[in-house]
Amino acid sequence: GENVEQHPSTLSVQEGDSAVIKCTYSDSASNYFPWYKQELGKGPQLIIDIRSNVGEKKDQRIAVTLNKTAKHFSLHITETQPEDSAVYFCAPAGYKLSFGAGTTVTVRA
Amino acid sequence: DVKVTQSSRYLVKRTGEKVFLECVQDMDHENMFWYRQDPGLGLRLIYFSYDVKMKEKGDIPEGYSVSREKKERFSLILESASTNQTSMYLCASSFPSLAETDYEQYFGPGTRLTVT
Repeated sequence: GENVEQHPSTLSVQEGDSAVIKCTYSDSASNYFPWYKQELGKGPQLIIDIRSNVGEKKDQRIAVTLNKTAKHFSLHITETQPEDSAVYFCAPAGYKLSFGAGTTVTVRA
Repeated sequence: DVKVTQSSRYLVKRTGEKVFLECVQDMDHENMFWYRQDPGLGLRLIYFSYDVKMKEKGDIPEGYSVSREKKERFSLILESASTNQTSMYLCASSFPSLAETDYEQYFGPGTRLTVT
């Protein structure tokens, strides 16, 4: 199966600063690269995704970049706000999604 | 909005009991999934189903079974609960996963199961 590693496991940032989370995967057949956000007491929710024919995708303050050669993709959050505090999961997919262990992001006011 | 509901938010059961976790989705999705979530391990797939009465084992099916008698409902069964099955259980649903098709999964709020 897919081997997925996500770093860092915890991240504390000052409000307004940027946050970056990296996900590495092993399956070269993976062709779909989403990021999910899980707020306290809720299930994960898709926030951004990218497909293997695109290198970067932006949606307001969040972006995902993909390096297929190196088998990693990253989530970038700019101008962080308190509501960005959550657990974030990468879930690279070939035949099915394989989730990373998660990154707990805390935005300090 | 897609809605995935799970029958209980919190559940406490005794070792050896048979436990049923129910999940219902209202978007006519073909695919449904059961995950367990443990600190430091992320989400691990237990079972999934592509259609009514169809099921496939995920990464950690041991000690679990599933049932899908209707398209909108997917049940996870712990035949004889054990303490190592204490966890958060998440149900999800999605449209069929075809090449170049949206893989997005929609999750329920989770059931926190404690086995004592």
